[in-house]
Amino acid sequence: DAGVIQSPRHEVTEMGQEVTLRCKPISGHDYLFWYRQTMMRGLELLIYFNNNVPIDDSGMPEDRFSAKMPNASFSTLKIQPSEPRDSAVYFCASSPGEGRYFGEGSWLTVV
Amino acid sequence: QKEVEQNSGPLSVPEGAIASLNCTYSDRGSQSFFWYRQYSGKSPELIMFIYSNGDKEDGRFTAQLNKASQYVSLLIRDSQPSDSATYLCAVRATTDSWGKLQFGAGTQVVVTP
Repeated sequence: DAGVIQSPRHEVTEMGQEVTLRCKPISGHDYLFWYRQTMMRGLELLIYFNNNVPIDDSGMPEDRFSAKMPNASFSTLKIQPSEPRDSAVYFCASSPGEGRYFGEGSWLTVV
Repeated sequence: QKEVEQNSGPLSVPEGAIASLNCTYSDRGSQSFFWYRQYSGKSPELIMFIYSNGDKEDGRFTAQLNKASQYVSLLIRDSQPSDSATYLCAVRATTDSWGKLQFGAGTQVVVTP
């Protein structure tokens, strides 16, 4: 079975540009999570969905960040406008309940 | 005070020895505890979770939970070079929604042949 699929794997963009990260969860998983990982702050939950509905977005750093899940097989995390401090690895994870099955991550560099 | 604390390491362990990792948490009411392993440049993967006081074993891994002392530990028996990774402790705090886990910063383990 395919795991969680994220794209792009690597992105370098200029400050001020819009960035869209994409995620396809494991089929049948009801929960989808977006995390950000940096050396300074570790692994942080940004937002999670249950059955396509956002449940907790308290980790979204500011209005520049938005996430959507239009259907059970697709989610996006958008940053507009991007800033250098957004440089991080962004992980998408899905779950049928306990535990998290992580994708390989999207490595974002904003210059 | 961080909600979940771990020693950053590195924890150097000879091959074949037992690696002992500790994690303390601040929310006394926490009920669910998780250990993840993350290889350098890779994503975290779940090793095991524990809910009740005491020990839980899975292969070479044992999780130990002591709610009174607010710590959870992970033992890795017969450590192998392939166990060299960063180990993340995660806790579900009572003040957070069900899906939100608080992660520690991780302990780096280096198993030396």
